[in-house]
Amino acid sequence: GAGVSQSPRYKVAKRGQDVALRCDPISGHVSLFWYQQALGQGPEFLTYFQNEAQLDKSGLPSDRFFAERPEGSVSTLKIQRTQQEDSAVYLCASSDMTGSYNEQFFGPGTRLTVL
Amino acid sequence: AQSVTQLGSHVSVSEGALVLLRCNYSSSVPPYLFWYVQYPNQGLQLLLKYTSAATLVKGINGFEAEFKKSETSFHLTKPSAHMSDAAEYFCAVSGNNRKLIWGLGTSLAVNP
Repeated sequence: GAGVSQSPRYKVAKRGQDVALRCDPISGHVSLFWYQQALGQGPEFLTYFQNEAQLDKSGLPSDRFFAERPEGSVSTLKIQRTQQEDSAVYLCASSDMTGSYNEQFFGPGTRLTVL
Repeated sequence: AQSVTQLGSHVSVSEGALVLLRCNYSSSVPPYLFWYVQYPNQGLQLLLKYTSAATLVKGINGFEAEFKKSETSFHLTKPSAHMSDAAEYFCAVSGNNRKLIWGLGTSLAVNP
């Protein structure tokens, strides 16, 4: 079946622009995660949804970052007034259960470059 | 608080040789531990996970890992490296809050 998809795969933004990154999780998956992966680093947790509820947003680096999942399926990560330090790969993952031991399935990521 | 340390950002082995990628964790609660592999331009793929059922965990592509509580380690091994194993490998830990805490990754090169 289809895996997690993300769009766009690549995004170039000028500093100060707003961007929106989309994640389509595996159908029926309850849990959805966003991670940020800087070049040469491991992923860093941003936020977690269980269905449409955002249960944890402790990893969002500033109030310029906003995520939503209004119908409990597709999710959008929005970054306002982008800065150069926002350049990274943004990874989305979904899981069919809510336990901490459940596998997270990852999309290919969106590579954001802020000029 | 939880953390993961991967010793060695780059590991190089010959084809057919043993692969050993090191991971040490810190966790104040019983941990769940994961190894993921990332091929270029592809998403992270789960290799194996430890969820307290058994200390020796077997995963895909011939990889396995052993959970050692006394050493707070979860090292990844494969008896014989294949060229197709060249990739980035990440160790991660999860507690009771669902999110994964990741190491910095180890890049594995396999030489012919």
